[in-house]
Amino acid sequence: AQSVTQLDSHVSVSEGTPVLLRCNYSSSYSPSLFWYVQHPNKGLQLLLKYTSAATLVKGINGFEAEFKKSETSFHLTKPSAHMSDAAEYFCVVSDQNTGFQKLVFGTGTRLLVSP
Amino acid sequence: ETGVTQTPRHLVMGMTNKKSLKCEQHLGHNAMYWYKQSAKKPLELMFVYSLEERVENNSVPSRFSPECPNSSHLFLHLHTLQPEDSALYLCASSQEDRGTEAFFGQGTRLTVV
Repeated sequence: AQSVTQLDSHVSVSEGTPVLLRCNYSSSYSPSLFWYVQHPNKGLQLLLKYTSAATLVKGINGFEAEFKKSETSFHLTKPSAHMSDAAEYFCVVSDQNTGFQKLVFGTGTRLLVSP
Repeated sequence: ETGVTQTPRHLVMGMTNKKSLKCEQHLGHNAMYWYKQSAKKPLELMFVYSLEERVENNSVPSRFSPECPNSSHLFLHLHTLQPEDSALYLCASSQEDRGTEAFFGQGTRLTVV
């Protein structure tokens, strides 16, 4: 069975400093991995996805993530935080044995950005 | 705008009421989902419809009843809910294929009083 662990429930950074949101996964199969972002009172928006192509994945708004199979990690990074990045971020693994997307969500990391 | 629209955005209902949540997708996808997002819990997959057939039902109480009349529409019928059912209910859709992402609606914030 798939599972996802987001190691930090909250991360606080100052505007202009780097962002690191950590995610470890467990999967019996070759996984697909995603990062979604949720702003207050909004639905989830896809930031980026890994689907067994390049291990370094670039997403929207300057975010990127690197798939490291040896470490079973898929950490999300951004070189310079912006105030608008403050939101909840979810790391997600997909069970590809089913035809549909059976997504397994982490518990989320709330990113706080101070001026 | 993700192409997945949920109505209503907010709903307050009593425990004896019957109401329905609606989801519509304009992306041509063939799979649709209901998720429940409660405070301090991971998102929980409730139901999956693939090609208009229910393929997943994660031990959801019978007071939640899904309906998928066609590939573009998904409903969640609610009756005799409990206060602990208060949550954000998210609808999503995707195309059945490896690696394709799910697109989410903005959710319905449900409060049961």
